[in-house]
Amino acid sequence: SQTIHQWPATLVQPVGSPLSLECTVEGTSNPNLYWYRQAAGRGLQLLFYSVGIGQISSEVPQNLSASRPQDRQFILSSKKLLLSDSGFYLCAYTPNSGNTIYFGEGSWLTVV
Amino acid sequence: QKEVEQDPGPLSVPEGAIVSLNCTYSNSAFQYFMWYRQYSRKGPELLMYTYSSGNKEDGRFTAQVDKSSKYISLFIRDSQPSDSATYLCVVNNFGNEKLTFGTGTRLTIIP
Repeated sequence: SQTIHQWPATLVQPVGSPLSLECTVEGTSNPNLYWYRQAAGRGLQLLFYSVGIGQISSEVPQNLSASRPQDRQFILSSKKLLLSDSGFYLCAYTPNSGNTIYFGEGSWLTVV
Repeated sequence: QKEVEQDPGPLSVPEGAIVSLNCTYSNSAFQYFMWYRQYSRKGPELLMYTYSSGNKEDGRFTAQVDKSSKYISLFIRDSQPSDSATYLCVVNNFGNEKLTFGTGTRLTIIP
């Protein structure tokens, strides 16, 4: 069966500190991978997506970056966090042979 | 105009009532449609997936698609307090990596 893991679930980071959120998928090969941010009452904002190893498409120019070092691993990073980076971050994937999207449990980031 | 419009609510209904959640979309190229349920501070979970006009039923949930009107609905029968969540509609066309999301409707079922 397919599963998606995302961590950490919650983190509080000071302004200017680095960030690394990690996501791994099991049970499928060559998935499309996504990072979304969800703000209260504003829906899901696509940040990055990847159709293969090393292939990253950025949707919103900002303080964040993404990498896909392995087929089923997706990492969201920042070198220096801003207050505005606070939010709920969701990793997601679509299987290679499917159309539905599956989400991780999310990561709550508070920048203080 | 947004590609998908969804009433954000909040929507409050008494337990046992039938709930109707709706989305409209503008792009006739969209070919498949999904509904997700998201509990507070959790990731969205897939409820229903359909790619044809008409109704699809799964337990207390029915997804309805009218491609001619570009209108999709999710009905919840015999609503329970555990149905209290935010419901997201999602649309896409085959071969497109980027899905289009509604903003979500927050639903509360009152015991």
